[in-house]
Amino acid sequence: DTAVSQTPKYLVTQMGNDKSIKCEQNLGHDTMYWYKQDSKKFLKIMFSYNNKELIINETVPNRFSPKSPDKAHLNLHINSLELGDSAVYFCASSQDQAGGNNEQFFGPGTRLTVL
Amino acid sequence: AQSVSQHNHHVILSEAASLELGCNYSYGGTVNLFWYVQYPGQHLQLLLKYFSGDPLVKGIKGFEAEFIKSKFSFNLRKPSVQWSDTAEYFCAVILGGSYIPTFGRGTSLIVHP
Repeated sequence: DTAVSQTPKYLVTQMGNDKSIKCEQNLGHDTMYWYKQDSKKFLKIMFSYNNKELIINETVPNRFSPKSPDKAHLNLHINSLELGDSAVYFCASSQDQAGGNNEQFFGPGTRLTVL
Repeated sequence: AQSVSQHNHHVILSEAASLELGCNYSYGGTVNLFWYVQYPGQHLQLLLKYFSGDPLVKGIKGFEAEFIKSKFSFNLRKPSVQWSDTAEYFCAVILGGSYIPTFGRGTSLIVHP
């Protein structure tokens, strides 16, 4: 069974469109995250959700909005897509909100290409 | 704010060579340290982690890392690399009391057969 899954794996779209990426984890973890990895492989955390509450929101444009219908899901909605949004987006989860046991379990990634 | 530095951005080795990738962080308190690997076209996976205890940590696939508190370092080592070790390697730090990791920029390792 896949621990952290994302759909779609590839997403090609036009500028100005609105799109969503879905993420689900079956590990029973408390916290989920979204990361953006650019073409230079730099990994930047975007959001973290714990118990359906947004815990941290890095300085990302408000065109990006995370939505968590339940503890096992954290979806990423992107409005008015721009060329610079092209990247690989990784979902991740971890067990604890605080403390040391915070190994990140990553999903397979979604490669977003904005034309 | 804390930062994580990986000074080697690109490393090219031949098989059987020894590997050491540097990782330094800028925080003086309690830290939890991680190394992740990303094989071509795949997601990040945990190689090893340090929380407390023995500063020399053994990971999967023959990797190890040593936490040197006085140097704020957590360098990754492997005595003999294989072609299959070709990947991106990311160091990450979580401050004590927090749960959000800070990742380094990554090191691209290419191993020639």
